[in-house]
Amino acid sequence: QKEVEQNSGPLSVPEGAIASLNCTYSDRGSQSFFWYRQYSGKSPELIMFIYSNGDKEDGRFTAQLNKASQYVSLLIRDSQPSDSATYLCAVTGSARQLTFGSGTQLTVLP
Amino acid sequence: GAGVSQSPSNKVTEKGKDVELRCDPISGHTALYWYRQSLGQGLEFLIYFQGNSAPDKSGLPSDRFSAERTGGSVSTLTIQRTQQEDSAVYLCASLTGGDTEAFFGQGTRLTVV
Repeated sequence: QKEVEQNSGPLSVPEGAIASLNCTYSDRGSQSFFWYRQYSGKSPELIMFIYSNGDKEDGRFTAQLNKASQYVSLLIRDSQPSDSATYLCAVTGSARQLTFGSGTQLTVLP
Repeated sequence: GAGVSQSPSNKVTEKGKDVELRCDPISGHTALYWYRQSLGQGLEFLIYFQGNSAPDKSGLPSDRFSAERTGGSVSTLTIQRTQQEDSAVYLCASLTGGDTEAFFGQGTRLTVV
């Protein structure tokens, strides 16, 4: 079992729709959870982080964390073509190592 | 500079040669990671430096790979006797420490021919 798992996609949504990206992790001692966006040929950049159970909203982005289910998600409202990228879930485990999932490729269709 | 700097940007090497990849982190950042990313894949953890602690080398794929961080700043990833499967983008990230944002360099694209 991979430490951080994501649905690789590709995921396609129409412009203006909600894109939902999911991630599960195996280390129950994990404490910090991040979503990075990576455009093709570029390096990852942080878009959201969440530490506590529940929802965290930042503009069109909402991160959701459920530690009991070892599940973290990212919702993108009013999706735009510029949101088309690979979204990487990352988790800081109990060994303090930042581990990434394999990413979900999102395409927002105009 | 203001960001994480990696050099070279691109490296083409012959199979069996040694290569050194350099990472210059953001000044004051105590944590530094090396990752490898093959085409269309996620980030594969290689090694983690945190302050003066012993590095976490658990991700290094073989003993051909080694890394050091001098003076808590610049890091060098060395790959000896390169193989074609080593071809990938090698990314370096630095953090202020703890559970904070990782800032990535632009990566080094390594091609072993």
